[in-house]
Order: sequence, then structure tokens, then C-alpha cells
Amino acid sequence: GESVGLHLPTLSVQEGDNSIINCAYSNSASDYFIWYKQESGKGPQFIIDIRSNMDKRQGQRVTVLLNKTVKHLSLQIAATQPGDSAVYFCAETSSVRRYKYIFGTGTRLKVLA
Amino acid sequence: GAVVSQHPSWVICKSGTSVKIECRSLDFQATTMFWYRQFPKQSLMLMATSNEGSKATYEQGVEKDKFLINHASLTLSTLTVTSAHPEDSSFYICSARDRGLSNQPQHFGDGTRLSIL
Repeated sequence: GESVGLHLPTLSVQEGDNSIINCAYSNSASDYFIWYKQESGKGPQFIIDIRSNMDKRQGQRVTVLLNKTVKHLSLQIAATQPGDSAVYFCAETSSVRRYKYIFGTGTRLKVLA
Repeated sequence: GAVVSQHPSWVICKSGTSVKIECRSLDFQATTMFWYRQFPKQSLMLMATSNEGSKATYEQGVEKDKFLINHASLTLSTLTVTSAHPEDSSFYICSARDRGLSNQPQHFGDGTRLSIL
């Protein structure tokens, strides 16, 4: 079902360290997963995606890992920078859902100088 | 890259007013656009799917007569919040998907903050 939360979990990371943001998804039929970054007052910005036939995908400074056995998704950010501070959402979808997204509850990343 | 423009970015109006929000895909054609609602510190909740040339499909619990959607062209969808009341105050965000690319990421607008007095 849709995710609703009253409090956003927060991850505080020292600048230059690596960040790992986790997401548990609900539907075993989901075959496409996306990570978005949302800064305050703005819409979500695409970061990286992965399909269910893969378990790892790398981008520039970011890596997404998919564990279908436990329905877990993670986003790793290398050498975290102040500009990475934002709320991060995972989204899951499938052809069955006609690629409508279900968003996770989100994680706020705070980068400490 | 793909750009979605949303207008206006901020609306303040009196209770009972109807408010129209526009969502445009600027450099691609979108047969499908999506409308979301987001409350503070919460996730995005899908309200409806806007289909070019046909009726929108609404998620469970979303009143279609309250939230009117029109998708008259391949680059424009509008959401009208009719007779808005304070409980309709929220952040409304649209997204669009490139025509024919159903399993590619959606591209989001920068949202419209609606405040009903």
C-alpha cells in the first residue's frame, strides 16, 4: 500500500564519508526501482534506477543495490558532500501497476561539515 | 535532459476558490502524466494518472469531482482543485513519462504549494 509517515528518519554523515540509505519495498512483483532526491520546496530529482534482473548498478558517486530475496534496496553515496543534503525516496513499480510508482517513506540526509 | 515545468509554484487563495495547476513537458511528449500530493515530512502519494485524450484514472479515495484533470495535449496536463478548502492545502507535484518509454523514470516538476485560507 501507500507509505505514510509522521517522521522522516534522518541520517547524519560527516562530509567526505560514505552514506548508505536503505529502503524496504513491499511488492514482490515490482521489477523497476528508482531513487529520487528531493530538496526543500522542490520536486524529486532522478538519481539512479535499477531493474529486477540486476542486483547492482553504479552511477557517478552513487551505487544502488537490490536484494530481491529480502525486498531491500539501498543507495550508497560516496564521498558525501554538503550538496547531497536532502530527502531521499525510493520508488518501486511494475508493469502490472502500469509503472505507477509507490514511494517509500523517505530518509533525510544531513551532511555535517 | 527531460524537463517538466509546473505552474504556478505557489498559490494562496480563499476557501471556496477553484485553483488550476499546469504541468508541461518541455522537451518531450508525454502521453501519461501523474499527479501527486505531499504533506510536510511525508512521502508522495499518487492521486491520479492523466492520460492524453482520455479520462484520468484516480487512486482509491481521491474524489474525481474535487480534483479535475485535463490532458488535452501531449505536453500539457492540468489539475483543478475545485472549491478548495483549508484541508486541501498541500504540495502538489506532477510528473511525466516520455511517450513510449513506460519503464523509464518519471520526471518531476518542482511542485505547487497550495495554501487555502
